[in-house]
Amino acid sequence: SQQGEEDPQALSIQEGENATMNCSYKTSINNLQWYRQNSGRGLVHLILIRSNEREKHSGRLRVTLDTSKKSSSLLITASRAADTASYFCATVLNTGGFKTIFGAGTRLFVKA
Amino acid sequence: SAVISQKPSRDICQRGTSLTIQCQVDSQVTMMFWYRQQPGQSLTLIATANQGSEATYESGFVIDKFPISRPNLTFSTLTVSNMSPEDSSIYLCSVPRPDTQYFGPGTRLTVL
Repeated sequence: SQQGEEDPQALSIQEGENATMNCSYKTSINNLQWYRQNSGRGLVHLILIRSNEREKHSGRLRVTLDTSKKSSSLLITASRAADTASYFCATVLNTGGFKTIFGAGTRLFVKA
Repeated sequence: SAVISQKPSRDICQRGTSLTIQCQVDSQVTMMFWYRQQPGQSLTLIATANQGSEATYESGFVIDKFPISRPNLTFSTLTVSNMSPEDSSIYLCSVPRPDTQYFGPGTRLTVL
């Protein structure tokens, strides 16, 4: 079964607003990553947070990780129309390898 | 980083036929992943392809249906055999790095 579950499944906001997406997972992880996918194309890596980190920033992105609740959130501030995409969390399992499990994804639509 | 190309980018096939998807990486990599993304869904790992050994398949995927070749450290193929409409998906290859994965642009397959 999928390791990560995300909510909301879809999100529609106005340009300039903030977008928050949440991800939950089930087992022990090494790290958690967020990816973006435009129009069914390849995924692009956005940001990684390690299991011993609680918060990380990259430009307009802010990621939090709560290992006690097995959850993470991705915040995109001051959204732009170009942020319209699907966003996936991905957990790298704590099994010593690179096996990565992707969440169901959140479809973000930013209206200009 | 890694630059990955896939061929074909899309195809429309008749049921019962087979399609071979190629994945080319611009650098030598030991491990490559093949994913399937059904319409509107997340990514599901099909198999891990290591050069010089048999591919390792995930639960629900078998070699007879998805044979994989890995002739060298920069190339892999995935064949979707005896296709049915349920195989209509985007197929993506990726290569792992310690803190990320690089994805190919995907092959969009439609089976009629």
